[in-house]
Amino acid sequence: SQKIEQNSEALNIQEGKTATLTCNYTNYSPAYLQWYRQDPGRGPVFLLLIRENEKEKRKERLKVTFDTTLKQSLFHITASQPADSATYLCALVGGSYIPTFGRGTSLIVHP
Amino acid sequence: DAGVIQSPRHEVTEMGQEVTLRCKPISGHNSLFWYRQTMMRGLELLIYFNNNVPIDDSGMPEDRFSAKMPNASFSTLKIQPSEPRDSAVYFCASSPVGARASGEKLFFGSGTQLSVL
Repeated sequence: SQKIEQNSEALNIQEGKTATLTCNYTNYSPAYLQWYRQDPGRGPVFLLLIRENEKEKRKERLKVTFDTTLKQSLFHITASQPADSATYLCALVGGSYIPTFGRGTSLIVHP
Repeated sequence: DAGVIQSPRHEVTEMGQEVTLRCKPISGHNSLFWYRQTMMRGLELLIYFNNNVPIDDSGMPEDRFSAKMPNASFSTLKIQPSEPRDSAVYFCASSPVGARASGEKLFFGSGTQLSVL
């Protein structure tokens, strides 16, 4: 069956460091991979999208990589700030065009 | 734009009661999704509408759940009768026309926190 895996343990880092979050998947051939941010008590907010034929995408302090051979996406936040603390969800979009979400990884940036 | 609007924000009910959750998508969006989020299972798709027509309802748990989209600006998710295991946060999300070409970016509401006692 299709599976999307994100680290269930919270990632704790110091302000100013680069945070790297991982999204692995199996039994899936996504056309796109998306990353969302979710704050407590709120709905997810779209951050970035990367297509299957793209290796890397950047937006300000965010960078996403997509390796369809490894079936893995890495999400980087450079120069992290306490305001970046949130849960980050990856979502895969295949032929049905319905995003399927991972369970998310909590990021905590310490001042 | 006000974004996707969901009501109520919180709902506490007793087992066996009917629950109705409401969603107003962003104007001009033609796709609407209902997701359910729990700690154990994360975000799960319940049903997907396109142009007010249900396209994929394979995620609807059982006959106790039903969803409607009578027009482009309103959708409901009904649970009857409710059970304690239905306790979760229910999210509505919409996406614009042509979203498929750009990867179906979703805009989420703030969710309804449902507690069934």
